[in-house]
Amino acid sequence: EAGVVQSPRYKIIEKKQPVAFWCNPISGHNTLYWYRQNLGQGPELLIRYENEEAVDDSQLPKDRFSAERLKGVDSTLKIQPAELGDSAVYLCASSPTGGQGSLFFGSGTQLSVL
Amino acid sequence: GEDVEQSLFLSVREGDSSVINCTYTDSSSTYLYWYKQEPGAGLQLLTYIFSNMDMKQDQRLTVLLNKKDKHLSLRIADTQTGDSAIYFCAVPFGNEKLTFGTGTRLTIIP
Repeated sequence: EAGVVQSPRYKIIEKKQPVAFWCNPISGHNTLYWYRQNLGQGPELLIRYENEEAVDDSQLPKDRFSAERLKGVDSTLKIQPAELGDSAVYLCASSPTGGQGSLFFGSGTQLSVL
Repeated sequence: GEDVEQSLFLSVREGDSSVINCTYTDSSSTYLYWYKQEPGAGLQLLTYIFSNMDMKQDQRLTVLLNKKDKHLSLRIADTQTGDSAIYFCAVPFGNEKLTFGTGTRLTIIP
């Protein structure tokens, strides 16, 4: 069974440029999460989807970050424009509905903003 | 507020036991979790404990929960080089928001 797939694996951009990350969750997992992990810290939740509905986006900086999960499967996270402080690893995870804390993570996208 | 605390580093000799500790603020969560992150990889669920238990053993892993003190620990018996990783304690707070600790980097000394 394929795990959570993320792309790209690495991204280097200059500040003020846009960037997008893509995630394909495990088949059948209705819940999808985007986390940001800063160096030396634990992941912090940005947004959680139940199917195509964003049920928790309270930590998403909505002035520059946006996310979508059309058709309740794949998801895209976008930053426009990127700032130096956005450099981090962006992790996507999925779980079955009601999976509570049993999350399956992708390998992440490491973003460097220069 | 929602807070999960861990010490940042732990060094253990190969073959010894490793004990990784975690404290958290008040939570009504049903389960508490331990995740493992190897270099360059995402997090992997290692084990979990139901909140009405005080101990759970799974092969070399033992999880201890002290709800009164809000303290969770992970013991790895007979630590091997392959156990080198960062270990995260994770606690769900209201509305299933899973909050991770800062992670403990486990280093194995040959």
